[in-house]
Amino acid sequence: GAGVSQSPSNKVTEKGKDVELRCDPISGHTALYWYRQRLGQGLEFLIYFQGNSAPDKSGLPSDRFSAERTGESVSTLTIQRTQQEDSAVYLCASSSDGTSNQPQHFGDGTRLSIL
Amino acid sequence: GDSVTQMEGPVTLSEEAFLTINCTYTATGYPSLFWYVQYPGEGLQLLLKATKADDKGSNKGFEATYRKETTSFHLEKGSVQVSDSAVYFCALSDQGGSYIPTFGRGTSLIVHP
Repeated sequence: GAGVSQSPSNKVTEKGKDVELRCDPISGHTALYWYRQRLGQGLEFLIYFQGNSAPDKSGLPSDRFSAERTGESVSTLTIQRTQQEDSAVYLCASSSDGTSNQPQHFGDGTRLSIL
Repeated sequence: GDSVTQMEGPVTLSEEAFLTINCTYTATGYPSLFWYVQYPGEGLQLLLKATKADDKGSNKGFEATYRKETTSFHLEKGSVQVSDSAVYFCALSDQGGSYIPTFGRGTSLIVHP
């Protein structure tokens, strides 16, 4: 069956440009997460959506980062005025209902490179 | 707050060797515990999980037992293969706390033929 799909798989852009990353979760999954993974590092939580509740934005590193989700489907992560330190792999994950015993299903990520 | 501590890597083994990757945790509630694996260029995949004390998760020859008394969830495999080379992440999701999982920093495993 279809898994979590992320696009683009790779993005190279110049410093100062805005970028938009897309995530299509598994159909029916109400919980959606965004993470950042710098080279050789662990996962850094960015934002969490659960159904129609207000998102948990506690992990967003600055006001240049924002994310939206349309109902229980597609999500976009937007980074404005990109900086070189934004270079990383951005991973999206979904889970069926966000409860503690449900695993996360990850996409393959978007590799973002800021020149 | 919640935390997960994994042994630092890389762990380098010969094929057919025994593998242990240590994971200990701190949680305020009653967490579920997970191991994920990340192959190069891919996202994380669930390897196994355990949702309560003394549960054993197993998959593809890997095992981990939820030890509440030692707050541990060590990953083991009796005989590793070259294809097991990847980064392994221990994670917890705390029913008593936020539903945002806490991940360890990952342990790189390199298996030589």
